[in-house]
This record gives sequence, structure tokens and C-alpha cells, in this order.
Amino acid sequence: DGGITQSPKYLFRKEGQNVTLSCEQNLNHDAMYWYRQDPGQGLRLIYYSQIVNDFQKGDIAEGYSVSREKKESFPLTVTSAQKNPTAFYLCASSNPGPGANVLTFGAGSRLTVL
Amino acid sequence: DQQVKQNSPSLSVQEGRISILNCDYTNSMFDYFLWYKKYPAEGPTFLISISSIKDKNEDGRFTVFLNKSAKHLSLHIVPSQPGDSAVYFCAASPFGAGGTSYGKLTFGQGTILTVHP
Repeated sequence: DGGITQSPKYLFRKEGQNVTLSCEQNLNHDAMYWYRQDPGQGLRLIYYSQIVNDFQKGDIAEGYSVSREKKESFPLTVTSAQKNPTAFYLCASSNPGPGANVLTFGAGSRLTVL
Repeated sequence: DQQVKQNSPSLSVQEGRISILNCDYTNSMFDYFLWYKKYPAEGPTFLISISSIKDKNEDGRFTVFLNKSAKHLSLHIVPSQPGDSAVYFCAASPFGAGGTSYGKLTFGQGTILTVHP
């Protein structure tokens, strides 16, 4: 079945450590996105990539980094510069065209900073 | 600045009745709107969408209404079922599906819908 796989599902990190969240898709979608969800808030866009080897900052990119070396993969690194990293992270993908705004989401990764 | 707002954090309805979830937006550049449904510990799934050239879109039990002058949209679920219990997010996008803005959605805070048997 086609879909998006995010790992790990749960991750604990000590302050000052960088962590990388994995996102893999087999939908052959061109574009991939990282959103963050906090309690009582909507999803907020961190980074997005509409083509391999290119990515753009979203609304809350500070303290995060990404890479897009392969079409299927869009890992997100949460760096120690991110002041409040505890959150639920969602990866998504879509293709340009009529359904471009219909994102397919992964199941998410919950990051907790201890 | 919250450009998309869902002012009701939660809604409780009886099975078989209508559920109405509301969403307001402030950015006049938004012209494509979507509703996503999310179960706990899962990613959101697409439910229904509407373009600004329409004022209504229907898909089975789900209907979305758009009032551009009021910058307001609503999702109607009729009849509501216990399996509809989830968090519902409205989302908005500028410039439709074209250009480079696709996928860059602005989401509301979500409304928790509980449908009681």
C-alpha cells in the first residue's frame, strides 16, 4: 500500500541534543512537507520541498534543518537551537495539479525533550 | 496572528443528528479551503474541500459551505455517527492549487467532535 512512513513514533531527547526524524513516501509525490502540532494550536509548516535537492522555509523554520536528496525521503533534524522542540511532528506529501493541496500525512512522530 | 480560527474547541452531538463545525479566516488571499479529520496518534486525513468559486460542496454525509463575504466556512455532517468522533481541522491555501503555494496550508486549531450513541 502506498503511504508515508514516519519513524520513530516516539522519541525522547535530552536538552542540547540534535535528533533526526525520518519520513519516507512511496506515493511518487514530488512535494513533501513537515508540520508541527502543539496542543490547542493548528498545524504549522516548518519546511517544504517541491522538488529533489530544493527546499524552502515554512513559517517556523528556526531551529530545524532538512534535506531532500531523494524523492522518497525528507528527513527533519531538530537542532539544539530549537527552543521548544517538544511537539507532534507530521510529514506530508502531495503532487502539483488539481489535488496539490490535498496532503497525505504520515502517522507522526512525538518528540519529548527531557 | 491566527489567520484561520476554529473558535469552538469541542462539540458534542447525538448520533443521527447534524454536526456543524465552523471556521473563520482573515486572509483575503485564501481561495481554497479543506477539512481534515484526525484520530489520536494518527496523521490527518483529507475529508472535503471547496474552491472560492463555489459556495457549497457535498460528498455523501459531508457538506462544506463557504461564505466569502463573511470569511466563514462550515462543515455539516448529516447524520452524525460515532465513528465521526475525531478532531476536525479546517485549512486554507492561497492561489488555489497552482503556482508555488500549493501544500502550504494554514490550519485552524481544530475542533474535537464527539458523537454519542
